[in-house]
Amino acid sequence: KQEVTQIPAALSVPEGENLVLNCSFTDSAIYNLQWFRQDPGKGLTSLLLIQSSQREQTSGRLNASLDKSSGRSTLYIAASQPGDSATYLCAVYMIKAAGNKLTFGGGTRVLVKP
Amino acid sequence: NAGVTQTPKFRILKIGQSMTLQCTQDMNHNYMYWYRQDPGMGLKLIYYSVGAGITDKGEVPNGYNVSRSTTEDFPLRLELAAPSQTSVYFCASSYFNSNQPQHFGDGTRLSIL
Repeated sequence: KQEVTQIPAALSVPEGENLVLNCSFTDSAIYNLQWFRQDPGKGLTSLLLIQSSQREQTSGRLNASLDKSSGRSTLYIAASQPGDSATYLCAVYMIKAAGNKLTFGGGTRVLVKP
Repeated sequence: NAGVTQTPKFRILKIGQSMTLQCTQDMNHNYMYWYRQDPGMGLKLIYYSVGAGITDKGEVPNGYNVSRSTTEDFPLRLELAAPSQTSVYFCASSYFNSNQPQHFGDGTRLSIL
């Protein structure tokens, strides 16, 4: 059974510092890995989707890497801003899964202090 | 530009009551999903649907039922509500292509007392 872990559960950094968020998974037979952002009282917003054949994906200040063999992904957020404060979740889609089903990690709650 | 709409946003139920959580999407997505999120935890899949008339169980289906009579709507039914069903419920949708991300509603916060 696939298990997705995100450590740490919470992170606090001063504004301007780079953020590094970690995600690990136990079964490397994934189709893709997705990073989401969740604001308090809101649903999830997709940030980046990395195919299993890709090593990284970039969007603006966000960069996500994927090392399938070691079961790890890292989300980098450059020059953090208070507006980056949110919970970040990663999720994996398994190759043998039907219906585009995702397995989620528990999330990392990020606070960027001005 | 509605996306995925969930109603109600909040609800308090008594043990043993029943209710239906509504979800509708206007993106013509084939796939729809129901998740629950407990405090400090990730999302767990309750039920999903790959198209109108087709539904299947996810990881935690006990105590819930779903139907999918149209592409747009995917209601979740709670029968005989129990305190363990206190959670935040999210509906999501996506295209059949697994390379496309899922789109989420804002959630329904449900308390069973």
